[in-house]
Amino acid sequence: QKEVEQNSGPLSVPEGAIASLNCTYSDRGSQSFFWYRQYSGKSPELIMFIYSNGDKEDGRFTAQLNKASQYVSLLIRDSQPSDSATYLCAVNLGRSGYALNFGKGTSLLVTP
Amino acid sequence: KAGVTQTPRYLIKTRGQQVTLSCSPISGHRSVSWYQQTPGQGLQFLFEYFSETQRNKGNFPGRFSGRQFSNSRSEMNVSTLELGDSALYLCASSLLAGGQFFGPGTRLTVL
Repeated sequence: QKEVEQNSGPLSVPEGAIASLNCTYSDRGSQSFFWYRQYSGKSPELIMFIYSNGDKEDGRFTAQLNKASQYVSLLIRDSQPSDSATYLCAVNLGRSGYALNFGKGTSLLVTP
Repeated sequence: KAGVTQTPRYLIKTRGQQVTLSCSPISGHRSVSWYQQTPGQGLQFLFEYFSETQRNKGNFPGRFSGRQFSNSRSEMNVSTLELGDSALYLCASSLLAGGQFFGPGTRLTVL
């Protein structure tokens, strides 16, 4: 059984701080890693993806991947109350296709 | 470009009935995947279609089935509905390996 694990939270950070969201996965053969944001009552929205070890930055978001440790993280700089949502980590499910295996998500609360 | 659309947005059915949900992917996207989302289990993969062929399948019973048409639109069907099938059903489309884009979902309630 391929697992994607996330701390359910809630993770509470003050406005302007850095929020750090973590994810571990069990399948060493995983190649593609994604972060989605889901607001209450809405569908998941793709934030960013990462394939290679190291960091990938996109605006206030930085994804970090460490395949040796089977660990993916998402950093949100200068957190805003509008960032309050559930953040879902996802990993490619198989060797072919685009299907994803999702973690259960971490709830983030950014307090003014 | 228009996003992924799903119809209907809400459905109420009773146990034993069957239901068909529809998804239209983003124009040009040939891969369509379906997911079930519940508070307890989170987002779980149902199946993926690409060029009218099922490419991947999750661990759901045979009551759950799907298909894809030549225009990439997809339908999923659930037969003999059970109370536990109440969930948000999400469709997602992909062009390349850069992630899937989700529709608004269909909220199914089974009474």
